[in-house]
Amino acid sequence: SQQGEEDPQALSIQEGENATMNCSYKTSINNLQWYRQNSGRGLVHLILIRSNEREKHSGRLRVTLDTSKKSSSLLITASRAADTASYFCATDVSNDMRFGAGTRLTVKP
Amino acid sequence: NAGVMQNPRHLVRRRGQEARLRCSPMKGHSHVYWYRQLPEEGLKFMVYLQKENIIDESGMPKERFSAEFPKEGPSILRIQQVVRGDSAAYFCASSPSTGWTNEQFFGPGTRLTVL
Repeated sequence: SQQGEEDPQALSIQEGENATMNCSYKTSINNLQWYRQNSGRGLVHLILIRSNEREKHSGRLRVTLDTSKKSSSLLITASRAADTASYFCATDVSNDMRFGAGTRLTVKP
Repeated sequence: NAGVMQNPRHLVRRRGQEARLRCSPMKGHSHVYWYRQLPEEGLKFMVYLQKENIIDESGMPKERFSAEFPKEGPSILRIQQVVRGDSAAYFCASSPSTGWTNEQFFGPGTRLTVL
């Protein structure tokens, strides 16, 4: 089942700029995950942040989690054209995976 | 319009047995993706299929695992001679087409336990 809200739905930036995507959810979670989907491909897991963590980094990716606001953000720094993809957040609620509708990111060279 | 259906929801097998996991995509969807999720980890892509074709199996272990999506009937993920390390949740997702599809519709998953 799909749930959660991501904004913006679409984001277009120039190479080198930072991209920020947000995700909100409704219920208590065990963890929250971010995924990337390139056109016509399967989801690729980017990063998992547990409910007791507030921030996590992986390369050019930075994820924050605010459980009091039930929201998370994904920041991609120094974007590249190859970052063009759809990005999804997913929440793990008692072993039930729930996905947002995604943000479509376009990075112009 | 029913969502993606997976069965069984829970499957218990002993080491060495075979596991068959079924996925019925949403009506009108001709693309199926399989993912594996180990406890406390994210989904890992296994295979992407269209009707009667395997498009991308780069995430599929080379041995014991196979997948099919026949012209009629559900997609099947088959694990032969299961081992304890195969214990995981297996999710399938379907989508209507390739290109810029923002959503894959996920099934509830099959939780495989290997004793």
